[in-house]
Amino acid sequence: GEDVEQSLFLSVREGDSSVINCTYTDSSSTYLYWYKQEPGAGLQLLTYIFSNMDMKQDQRLTVLLNKKDKHLSLRIADTQTGDSAIYFCAESIEDTGRRALTFGSGTRLQVQP
Amino acid sequence: NAGVTQTPKFRILKIGQSMTLQCTQDMNHNYMYWYRQDPGMGLKLIYYSVGAGITDKGEVPNGYNVSRSTTEDFPLRLELAAPSQTSVYFCASKERNTEAFFGQGTRLTVV
Repeated sequence: GEDVEQSLFLSVREGDSSVINCTYTDSSSTYLYWYKQEPGAGLQLLTYIFSNMDMKQDQRLTVLLNKKDKHLSLRIADTQTGDSAIYFCAESIEDTGRRALTFGSGTRLQVQP
Repeated sequence: NAGVTQTPKFRILKIGQSMTLQCTQDMNHNYMYWYRQDPGMGLKLIYYSVGAGITDKGEVPNGYNVSRSTTEDFPLRLELAAPSQTSVYFCASKERNTEAFFGQGTRLTVV
């Protein structure tokens, strides 16, 4: 079955890099996503990666995928106080009927000024 | 380009009342979903639909019903509200091999 796990909390200083980690269990995952949620707000898609890719970079964001270990990470360079939020990892399997996303419980990122 | 629109944004219900959460998308997506997010948790799938006229249960369907009479609309019905249904509800849509688009959420409190 599908299961996605994340660490609960990460604290960094402004200007440092943040690395948020995620593990998933389903080896047939096709898409892996990172969403950001600020307090009281909806979900903002940050980036996503196909499971046949190893890395994707988008400005300050770098996603690394280790398919062998079923490990996904999100690196935020030059972390700012505005990056403080909860970050959700999610997977979807595109070769099954429902194509629904399965979410982790979220990692709360706290950026200290 | 509205994307996925949910109404209402907030609602307080009394125990035993019923209500419908509305969800509409204008992207002609076949796949639509309802999730709930409890405090400090990730999103759990309530119901989903792979096209008009087709719906199926997700992981946490008890206490809810859905219908999909058109491609655009996917309402979620609560028949007898219970305090355990206090949550934030998100509707989403996608197509094959595309990202998922989420609405802004409905914050529901049952008292």
